[in-house]
Amino acid sequence: GDKVKQSPSALSLQEGTNSALRCNFSIAATTVQWFLQNPRGSLMNLFYLVPGTKENGRLKSAFDSKESYSTLHIRDAQLEDSGTYFCAAEVYNQGKLIFGQGTKLSIKP
Amino acid sequence: DAGVTQTPRHEVAEKGQTIILKCEPVSGHNDLFWYRQTKIQGLELLSYFRSKSLMEDGGAFKDRFKAEMLNSSFSTLKIQPTEPKDSAVYLCASSQQGDTLYFGAGTRLSVL
Repeated sequence: GDKVKQSPSALSLQEGTNSALRCNFSIAATTVQWFLQNPRGSLMNLFYLVPGTKENGRLKSAFDSKESYSTLHIRDAQLEDSGTYFCAAEVYNQGKLIFGQGTKLSIKP
Repeated sequence: DAGVTQTPRHEVAEKGQTIILKCEPVSGHNDLFWYRQTKIQGLELLSYFRSKSLMEDGGAFKDRFKAEMLNSSFSTLKIQPTEPKDSAVYLCASSQQGDTLYFGAGTRLSVL
């Protein structure tokens, strides 16, 4: 089964609304990273997380290693937030990241 | 600082050809990854280097895919021979010892 499972797989929002994306892990994740792939295909790192929370502008992310999940909250969604969001987990000392299948987010004016 | 640089951006190959994709990681990073991205399979790890040593060679991709890292600032991914099912976006990424991962813009490969 999927070691990193993202939900929902797709989401459509009105501009100005809020949303929450989630990743569940069936592996012992020690760190989590969130990425946004824009419609042109470029992958940009949004967050690098150890257990805890981080905030950057309208984005806030949390990682709970004991409950094996991570969330990404988007506040006041803007058109430029459209794209596919990926979470990825690292298992201790393995060095590589295991990626989820992504959440495709569409923001409508 | 320059990010991860990949060349070429686009590649078109005939079935059976050999192609070589190139990647320059962020200066000072010691982890380098090659991924393949398709709509159906998502992001698949092809190879992983740490300090130029091959840590993982992607299992199912062994037979026709070979990644090399001749020095700390340059890596290549050779596909030989190419098949139409290899059509995908190939992404290179680097990080400093498992920290924040940075991706290149990718190479879009089409095999006819």
